[in-house]
Amino acid sequence: GAVVSQHPSWVICKSGTSVKIECRSLDFQATTMFWYRQFPKQSLMLMATSNEGSKATYEQGVEKDKFLINHASLTLSTLTVTSAHPEDSSFYICSATGTGRDTGELFFGEGSRLTVL
Amino acid sequence: AQTVTQSQPEMSVQEAETVTLSCTYDTSESDYYLFWYKQPPSRQMILVIRQEAYKQQNATENRFSVNFQKAAKSFSLKISDSQLGDAAMYFCAYISNTGNQFYFGTGTSLTVIP
Repeated sequence: GAVVSQHPSWVICKSGTSVKIECRSLDFQATTMFWYRQFPKQSLMLMATSNEGSKATYEQGVEKDKFLINHASLTLSTLTVTSAHPEDSSFYICSATGTGRDTGELFFGEGSRLTVL
Repeated sequence: AQTVTQSQPEMSVQEAETVTLSCTYDTSESDYYLFWYKQPPSRQMILVIRQEAYKQQNATENRFSVNFQKAAKSFSLKISDSQLGDAAMYFCAYISNTGNQFYFGTGTSLTVIP
């Protein structure tokens, strides 16, 4: 199957700083990427959907100024948590689907654990 | 809005036995896709099985099979001959036909008892 890579896998930062998480599709063009947040022992909560070259569509209740998503190329989407606070600590997962893939064929990154001190 | 519901937060099964995980969903669309994903402690999401809504035949992948009831909007997963490695969180998921809406259920934690 296709490969989606997330980086970093774990990041610790001080409160008030910004953190960028990258999601890359390594062997296909990801026309659509999804960003999720997952709390321990809970489901994945869809944060936003991003299509290459367009502004991301955020789910209700997700602050777009807090969680900046950029999908500038067909192989890279980034999630920037701005002015991070301890309550932003969570596991963030990206997934991607794209050109040459069947609708519904979705590939997940390994996830990124964010800890805000 | 589409929603996906898993009514069993936790399930357990004896090794080599069969277990069924339930999932219901709500949608106004006629064409969509349904999935079961497995998330082991590593937290990497692993696709278990996929079902296209336009197909009446239930999907099967080795020991994993689904019971897809479109009218009832039900999509259960049956795991036969359960193995210790099957222990994980299982998520039911829905994706729209356009591929732009993807939602997960709340998850079922499966324990396999040796």
